[in-house]
Formats: sequence, C-alpha cells, structure tokens
Amino acid sequence: SQTIHQWPATLVQPVGSPLSLECTVEGTSNPNLYWYRQAAGRGLQLLFYSVGIGQISSEVPQNLSASRPQDRQFILSSKKLLLSDSGFYLCAWSTRDRLSSGANVLTFGAGSRLTVL
Amino acid sequence: DAKTTQPNSMESNEEEPVHLPCNHSTISGTDYIHWYRQLPSQGPEYVIHGLTSNVNNRMASLAIAEDRKSSTLILHRATLRDAAVYYCITSYGKLTFGQGTILTVHP
Repeated sequence: SQTIHQWPATLVQPVGSPLSLECTVEGTSNPNLYWYRQAAGRGLQLLFYSVGIGQISSEVPQNLSASRPQDRQFILSSKKLLLSDSGFYLCAWSTRDRLSSGANVLTFGAGSRLTVL
Repeated sequence: DAKTTQPNSMESNEEEPVHLPCNHSTISGTDYIHWYRQLPSQGPEYVIHGLTSNVNNRMASLAIAEDRKSSTLILHRATLRDAAVYYCITSYGKLTFGQGTILTVHP
C-alpha cells in the first residue's frame, strides 16, 4: 500500500533562518506531488505541484521554493523565513495520469507545523 | 476551479444523518465534485467524488443536483469521529480548498 511521510512534524524557527521540509511517498511510482499551506483558521492554499523529477510549478509568488530531486521525494525550502511563513504545511500525492483529470484524488501526509518567531 | 459556497458550521447528534450542502453554480461541464474532510491537526482525508450521478462509498453518499449547481454530502449515521471540517471542491485537475463547513457532532 502507498504511504506518505512528512518531517519534521513540528518546527519552531527564528525569522531569517532557513527552512527545509521533506516529504516522501512509498509504494507508488511517478506520483504527482503537492505542497499546501494552511494558515490558522483558514483553508488550504496550493503552493507548488510537481509532475516529475525537476518539474516544479508554483501557484503563488512567495518566499518559498520547492524541489523534487527524486521521483518520490518533494522538498519545501526557504532561505530566510518571514513571520508570515508560519502555518501548517501539507504534502500530498496523486496518481500521475489523474492530474489532467477531474478525478484527481489526493492523499495527504500528516503535516508539518511551522512557527516562525 | 469553480467557486463553492458552504455553510460555516453545522451541528448534528450522534447516530443521526447529516446532510452537508454545497453550492457551485459556476461549475463547468468537466469539473468533478470532490469532498474531503480534515480532523483537528491532521491532513485532509478524501471522502468521495462524482461528476453527474449520485455516488456511494463506505464513508458517505454524494447527491448531485440534476443541473449540477449544488450537491449534498450525506453521512448516514454521524459518529463523534465524524466531527471535522468538510471541504467541497469542484475541479478539473488541481484542487483548491476553501474554508469548508465545521461539523460538530453531539453525543
């Protein structure tokens, strides 16, 4: 069966420090990978998605970047964190052939809660 | 993605059915209707999706209006574990989550 892992689960970082959140998927090949962010009390915002190694699409301009160095690995990074980067970060995956389909079903990880002080 | 409108919150009693409404009047012909739910401090969980016909699975039922401008997620017998934020999304491809409906289930 497929599983998705995110780490770290909780992170407290000072303003201006770097960030690296990692996500890996097991039990599937060629997944679509996504990073979402959820600010306190708000809905989920799609940040990045990837359909393959080295292929990253950004949905909103921001202080963050994403990379996909391996087929089942997705990394969210920042060189200098801002207070506004605080939130609940969620990685998700879906099967490759579904991104261009209305039946694109996402499976989410447990999330990484980031607090920037 | 078409915009969806959901009530901010709803309440139910345990063991009773729950009908969660969603309006999506600008839905396009190729958009699917998706429902996810999110328990506190967890990632969203897929519940059900459909295009035109009503759908049933082990978690819930999805009733889609004939004109597709609205839909209803039906939980047949609410349990305390069903207390969550329920998101209705209409999409073709990438999914955009709105604010959802906070469902409270009373014992």
